[in-house]
Amino acid sequence: NAGVTQTPKFRILKIGQSMTLQCTQDMNHNYMYWYRQDPGMGLKLIYYSVGAGITDKGEVPNGYNVSRSTTEDFPLRLELAAPSQTSVYFCASTPTTKEIGGNQPQHFGDGTRLSIL
Amino acid sequence: AQTVTQSQPEMSVQEAETVTLSCTYDTSENNYYLFWYKQPPSRQMILVIRQEAYKQQNATENRFSVNFQKAAKSFSLKISDSQLGDTAMYFCAFMKLAGTYKYIFGTGTRLKVLA
Repeated sequence: NAGVTQTPKFRILKIGQSMTLQCTQDMNHNYMYWYRQDPGMGLKLIYYSVGAGITDKGEVPNGYNVSRSTTEDFPLRLELAAPSQTSVYFCASTPTTKEIGGNQPQHFGDGTRLSIL
Repeated sequence: AQTVTQSQPEMSVQEAETVTLSCTYDTSENNYYLFWYKQPPSRQMILVIRQEAYKQQNATENRFSVNFQKAAKSFSLKISDSQLGDTAMYFCAFMKLAGTYKYIFGTGTRLKVLA
């Protein structure tokens, strides 16, 4: 059981480049999330999805896009990379209310460290 | 909208001593969870402890316990017998128990345990 897998782990981009951060989970979870964590700060929600074909904005969506064509995959797209997007990006998933009371209310990936130069 | 505030950016504690990390939150919801997460240098998000808002009894997990004051909207974490491995960032998080199950995180407290 791989859980939540993020690729790549590290990436350096030039200003104006675009890229897609990949996230996949093999737990059949309906709910998936993208967070960003700036240095010394907490995680802020970028986008989330409550199921295939449904996405919605979080606190800090500007400069990003997402899609959810399957239950497993939830890629995050940066179209025109800017230095303000230098951050660590976490993908997460959660299944149901019952699981929230369990050992892992939200399953996190290991993060992608992204630097925009 | 919900907010979570951690007013202590950094704290330190001697090994084997007890330390308390503060967290306050603001919400109009009645049903929710509160969490403390630990993030070591490896960046993994590790769940330390959770509290259901409808439970009056404070949650405990081994050396970790919380002081949950619902009326005051306060949720502090007490670490007893601090160990060097407790050195990490600690995040308080709020989750509404309906809808999208998304987290609202505080800004974190960096805890250093001193030998």
